Amino acid sequence: GAGVSQSPSNKVTEKGKDVELRCDPISGHTALYWYRQSLGQGLEFLIYFQGNSAPDKSGLPSDRFSAERTGGSVSTLTIQRTQQEDSAVYLCASSSYLQGGNEQFFGPGTRLTVL
Amino acid sequence: LAKTTQPISMDSYEGQEVNITCSHNNIATNDYITWYQQFPSQGPRFIIQGYKTKVTNEVASLFIPADRKSSTLSLPRVSLSDTAVYYCLVGDGDSSYKLIFGSGTRLLVRP
Repeated sequence: GAGVSQSPSNKVTEKGKDVELRCDPISGHTALYWYRQSLGQGLEFLIYFQGNSAPDKSGLPSDRFSAERTGGSVSTLTIQRTQQEDSAVYLCASSSYLQGGNEQFFGPGTRLTVL
Repeated sequence: LAKTTQPISMDSYEGQEVNITCSHNNIATNDYITWYQQFPSQGPRFIIQGYKTKVTNEVASLFIPADRKSSTLSLPRVSLSDTAVYYCLVGDGDSSYKLIFGSGTRLLVRP
């Protein structure tokens, strides 16, 4: 595809339910990132993948959050037992690793609302 | 990673040049300075990146003084469509894969 795509674009769920958010990076990009953005705030880093491995999971806010990436392409962010404070826009980005610079290409995001 | 400070908001008019300055007093030797733009309901978009002096591309210029403790994003002749939030980021291109976004500068361009 031409850019990073994410699905669904909007997700409304009830507190306590599990949700899965999907990211399709730009073809050939080896690096993939998940961020979270609360209303009116900057982005909060969640996790980074290089290929299928995640060398940095330090941004995941709790053990309810997990992510995987398969085949070096699609990634899924899973939130178990959702809480109202999980409501935010979840953004995915990808990049081809560049020495001395790292332009990340962002998708449109998934707006998650936990009731 | 170096912390950045930038104005919360700025107002401008169509056709004017807009300069947004970012302070990054603790910038490290290997750090690059990168600016992103974000429209409502969209992910951020890369604008420009630089290490020192001046960088120019088709949409903006980036001015970095010799001490690199600040940088200025310059948008020539802004239009209404430049209304957005602009983020200044500082990090080592090799290891700062996790972009650290502050609150950004909310630019409003008026007709």
